[in-house]
Amino acid sequence: ETGVTQTPRHLVMGMTNKKSLKCEQHLGHNAMYWYKQSAKKPLELMFVYSLEERVENNSVPSRFSPECPNSSHLFLHLHTLQPEDSALYLCASSQRDTTTFHYGYTFGSGTRLTVV
Amino acid sequence: GEDVEQSLFLSVREGDSSVINCTYTDSSSTYLYWYKQEPGAGLQLLTYIFSNMDMKQDQRLTVLLNKKDKHLSLRIADTQTGDSAIYFCAVLPGGTYKYIFGTGTRLKVLA
Repeated sequence: ETGVTQTPRHLVMGMTNKKSLKCEQHLGHNAMYWYKQSAKKPLELMFVYSLEERVENNSVPSRFSPECPNSSHLFLHLHTLQPEDSALYLCASSQRDTTTFHYGYTFGSGTRLTVV
Repeated sequence: GEDVEQSLFLSVREGDSSVINCTYTDSSSTYLYWYKQEPGAGLQLLTYIFSNMDMKQDQRLTVLLNKKDKHLSLRIADTQTGDSAIYFCAVLPGGTYKYIFGTGTRLKVLA
Protein backbone atom coordinates (compact mmCIF):
# COMPACT_ATOMS: atom_id res chain seq x y z
CA GLU A 1 0.00 0.00 0.00
CA THR A 2 1.17 3.51 -0.67
CA GLY A 3 0.24 6.96 0.57
CA VAL A 4 -2.05 7.56 3.50
CA THR A 5 -4.76 5.03 4.28
CA GLN A 6 -7.71 5.72 6.56
CA THR A 7 -10.18 3.20 7.94
CA PRO A 8 -13.05 2.90 8.11
CA ARG A 9 -14.30 4.99 5.18
CA HIS A 10 -17.72 5.42 6.77
CA LEU A 11 -18.81 5.14 10.39
CA VAL A 12 -22.19 5.55 12.02
CA MET A 13 -22.17 5.58 15.80
CA GLY A 14 -24.54 6.32 18.63
CA MET A 15 -23.77 8.99 21.18
CA THR A 16 -22.87 6.40 23.82
CA ASN A 17 -20.57 4.32 21.62
CA LYS A 18 -16.79 4.16 21.63
CA LYS A 19 -15.01 3.81 18.32
CA SER A 20 -11.61 4.52 16.81
CA LEU A 21 -10.45 5.92 13.50
CA LYS A 22 -7.21 4.62 12.08
CA CYS A 23 -4.65 6.27 9.82
CA GLU A 24 -1.55 4.68 8.37
CA GLN A 25 1.11 6.30 6.20
CA HIS A 26 3.71 4.52 4.08
CA LEU A 27 5.68 7.59 3.04
CA GLY A 28 8.32 7.75 5.76
CA HIS A 29 6.92 11.07 6.98
CA ASN A 30 7.51 12.14 10.56
CA ALA A 31 4.51 14.40 11.17
CA MET A 32 0.85 13.41 11.17
CA TYR A 33 -2.33 15.44 11.51
CA TRP A 34 -6.02 15.08 12.19
CA TYR A 35 -8.37 17.52 10.49
CA LYS A 36 -12.12 17.90 10.76
CA GLN A 37 -14.01 18.97 7.68
CA SER A 38 -17.60 20.06 8.22
CA ALA A 39 -19.98 21.33 5.58
CA LYS A 40 -19.54 25.03 4.78
CA LYS A 41 -16.69 25.42 7.29
CA PRO A 42 -12.93 25.70 6.82
CA LEU A 43 -10.73 22.74 7.54
CA GLU A 44 -10.17 22.57 11.29
CA LEU A 45 -6.82 21.34 12.51
CA MET A 46 -7.43 19.12 15.52
CA PHE A 47 -4.12 17.53 16.46
CA VAL A 48 -0.54 17.51 15.26
CA TYR A 49 1.94 14.78 16.03
CA SER A 50 5.57 15.32 15.20
CA LEU A 51 8.11 12.59 15.79
CA GLU A 52 5.36 10.70 17.64
CA GLU A 53 4.89 13.51 20.11
CA ARG A 54 1.70 15.55 20.28
CA VAL A 55 2.73 19.10 19.55
CA GLU A 56 -0.64 20.69 19.08
CA ASN A 57 -4.13 20.28 20.41
CA ASN A 58 -6.44 22.97 19.14
CA SER A 59 -9.01 23.17 21.92
CA VAL A 60 -10.54 19.90 20.88
CA PRO A 61 -13.12 18.44 23.31
CA SER A 62 -11.87 15.57 25.43
CA ARG A 63 -14.33 13.19 23.77
CA PHE A 64 -11.70 13.08 20.99
CA SER A 65 -8.50 11.34 22.07
CA PRO A 66 -5.57 10.92 19.66
CA GLU A 67 -2.88 8.28 19.84
CA CYS A 68 0.32 7.95 17.83
CA PRO A 69 2.08 4.70 18.73
CA ASN A 70 4.73 5.12 16.02
CA SER A 71 5.54 7.39 13.12
CA SER A 72 3.41 5.39 10.69
CA HIS A 73 0.19 5.10 12.64
CA LEU A 74 -2.27 7.58 14.06
CA PHE A 75 -5.56 6.89 15.81
CA LEU A 76 -8.47 9.02 16.87
CA HIS A 77 -10.46 7.49 19.70
CA LEU A 78 -14.05 8.66 19.95
CA HIS A 79 -16.44 8.41 22.89
CA THR A 80 -19.76 10.00 23.86
CA LEU A 81 -19.83 12.12 20.73
CA GLN A 82 -22.50 14.65 19.84
CA PRO A 83 -24.45 14.96 16.57
CA GLU A 84 -22.49 18.13 15.72
CA ASP A 85 -19.35 15.98 15.60
CA SER A 86 -20.64 14.43 12.38
CA ALA A 87 -18.09 15.37 9.71
CA LEU A 88 -15.36 14.09 7.44
CA TYR A 89 -12.22 13.37 9.46
CA LEU A 90 -9.07 13.65 7.44
CA CYS A 91 -5.64 12.37 8.33
CA ALA A 92 -2.56 13.85 6.70
CA SER A 93 1.17 13.37 6.91
CA SER A 94 4.19 15.44 5.97
CA GLN A 95 7.88 15.63 6.50
CA ARG A 96 8.83 17.89 9.38
CA ASP A 97 11.95 19.69 8.29
CA THR A 98 11.81 23.41 7.85
CA THR A 99 15.14 23.53 6.07
CA THR A 100 14.10 21.54 3.04
CA PHE A 101 11.40 21.86 0.45
CA HIS A 102 7.94 20.94 1.58
CA TYR A 103 6.06 18.77 -0.80
CA GLY A 104 2.87 19.56 1.05
CA TYR A 105 0.62 17.27 2.96
CA THR A 106 -0.47 13.89 1.76
CA PHE A 107 -4.05 13.31 2.80
CA GLY A 108 -5.99 10.16 3.32
CA SER A 109 -9.46 9.78 1.80
CA GLY A 110 -11.08 10.48 5.15
CA THR A 111 -13.61 8.81 7.40
CA ARG A 112 -17.19 10.06 7.03
CA LEU A 113 -18.55 10.00 10.58
CA THR A 114 -22.23 10.25 11.40
CA VAL A 115 -23.30 10.50 15.03
CA VAL A 116 -26.90 9.52 15.67
CA GLY B 1 -3.37 35.08 13.25
CA GLU B 2 -2.73 33.90 9.74
CA ASP B 3 -5.71 33.88 7.43
CA VAL B 4 -6.33 32.51 3.94
CA GLU B 5 -9.47 33.53 2.08
CA GLN B 6 -11.17 32.23 -1.03
CA SER B 7 -14.50 32.78 -2.70
CA LEU B 8 -16.88 29.90 -2.09
CA PHE B 9 -18.20 29.14 -5.57
CA LEU B 10 -17.21 29.39 -9.22
CA SER B 11 -19.17 28.17 -12.21
CA VAL B 12 -17.72 27.92 -15.74
CA ARG B 13 -18.64 26.33 -19.04
CA GLU B 14 -16.72 23.34 -20.32
CA GLY B 15 -13.81 24.44 -22.49
CA ASP B 16 -13.52 27.87 -20.85
CA SER B 17 -10.73 28.89 -18.48
CA SER B 18 -11.32 28.92 -14.73
CA VAL B 19 -9.55 31.30 -12.38
CA ILE B 20 -9.68 30.59 -8.66
CA ASN B 21 -8.37 33.30 -6.37
CA CYS B 22 -6.89 33.28 -2.89
CA THR B 23 -5.61 35.99 -0.56
CA TYR B 24 -3.46 35.44 2.49
CA THR B 25 -2.15 37.55 5.32
CA ASP B 26 1.17 36.00 6.33
CA SER B 27 3.95 37.70 4.39
CA SER B 28 6.48 35.14 5.61
CA SER B 29 4.78 32.33 3.68
CA THR B 30 7.49 30.41 1.92
CA TYR B 31 5.50 27.87 -0.04
CA LEU B 32 2.01 28.15 -1.44
CA TYR B 33 -0.12 25.25 -2.65
CA TRP B 34 -3.27 24.34 -4.45
CA TYR B 35 -5.16 21.21 -3.45
CA LYS B 36 -8.13 19.56 -5.14
CA GLN B 37 -10.85 17.63 -3.32
CA GLU B 38 -13.23 15.48 -5.30
CA PRO B 39 -16.51 14.30 -3.74
CA GLY B 40 -15.99 11.74 -0.99
CA ALA B 41 -12.23 11.99 -1.15
CA GLY B 42 -9.35 13.61 0.69
CA LEU B 43 -7.34 16.55 -0.58
CA GLN B 44 -4.90 15.94 -3.41
CA LEU B 45 -1.93 18.22 -4.02
CA LEU B 46 -2.26 19.79 -7.46
CA THR B 47 0.62 22.19 -7.67
CA TYR B 48 2.77 24.54 -5.61
CA ILE B 49 4.85 27.68 -6.00
CA PHE B 50 7.81 29.07 -4.12
CA SER B 51 7.40 32.53 -2.67
CA ASN B 52 10.27 33.83 -4.82
CA MET B 53 8.43 32.94 -8.03
CA ASP B 54 5.75 34.95 -9.84
CA MET B 55 4.35 32.24 -12.04
CA LYS B 56 4.43 28.54 -12.53
CA GLN B 57 2.88 26.57 -15.37
CA ASP B 58 2.12 22.89 -15.23
CA GLN B 59 0.18 21.58 -18.26
CA ARG B 60 -3.32 23.09 -18.01
CA LEU B 61 -2.56 24.73 -14.66
CA THR B 62 -1.03 28.17 -14.22
CA VAL B 63 -0.29 29.57 -10.78
CA LEU B 64 0.23 33.31 -10.38
CA LEU B 65 1.63 34.86 -7.23
CA ASN B 66 1.48 38.56 -6.39
CA LYS B 67 3.48 38.88 -3.20
CA LYS B 68 2.88 42.59 -2.86
CA ASP B 69 -0.88 42.06 -2.76
CA LYS B 70 -0.59 38.61 -1.09
CA HIS B 71 -2.71 37.17 -3.85
CA LEU B 72 -2.48 33.70 -5.33
CA SER B 73 -4.48 32.43 -8.26
CA LEU B 74 -4.97 29.14 -10.07
CA ARG B 75 -5.93 29.17 -13.73
CA ILE B 76 -7.24 25.99 -15.32
CA ALA B 77 -7.21 26.12 -19.10
CA ASP B 78 -9.79 24.23 -21.17
CA THR B 79 -11.79 23.31 -18.07
CA GLN B 80 -13.37 19.86 -18.20
CA THR B 81 -16.25 18.32 -16.26
CA GLY B 82 -13.68 16.21 -14.40
CA ASP B 83 -12.28 19.43 -12.96
CA SER B 84 -15.46 19.91 -10.92
CA ALA B 85 -14.26 19.76 -7.30
CA ILE B 86 -13.36 21.92 -4.33
CA TYR B 87 -10.04 23.72 -4.65
CA PHE B 88 -8.12 24.71 -1.54
CA CYS B 89 -5.38 27.27 -1.32
CA ALA B 90 -2.79 26.60 1.42
CA VAL B 91 0.25 28.51 2.61
CA LEU B 92 3.20 27.48 4.72
CA PRO B 93 4.38 30.30 7.00
CA GLY B 94 8.12 30.56 7.31
CA GLY B 95 9.76 28.50 10.02
CA THR B 96 6.81 26.17 10.49
CA TYR B 97 5.54 22.92 9.08
CA LYS B 98 1.89 23.67 9.73
CA TYR B 99 -0.12 24.70 6.71
CA ILE B 100 -2.89 27.25 6.74
CA PHE B 101 -5.79 26.30 4.48
CA GLY B 102 -8.40 28.48 2.85
CA THR B 103 -12.10 27.70 3.00
CA GLY B 104 -12.09 26.11 -0.44
CA THR B 105 -13.71 27.16 -3.72
CA ARG B 106 -16.29 24.83 -5.21
CA LEU B 107 -15.81 24.75 -8.99
CA LYS B 108 -18.76 23.60 -11.06
CA VAL B 109 -18.18 22.92 -14.74
CA LEU B 110 -21.24 23.11 -16.93
CA ALA B 111 -21.40 20.90 -20.01
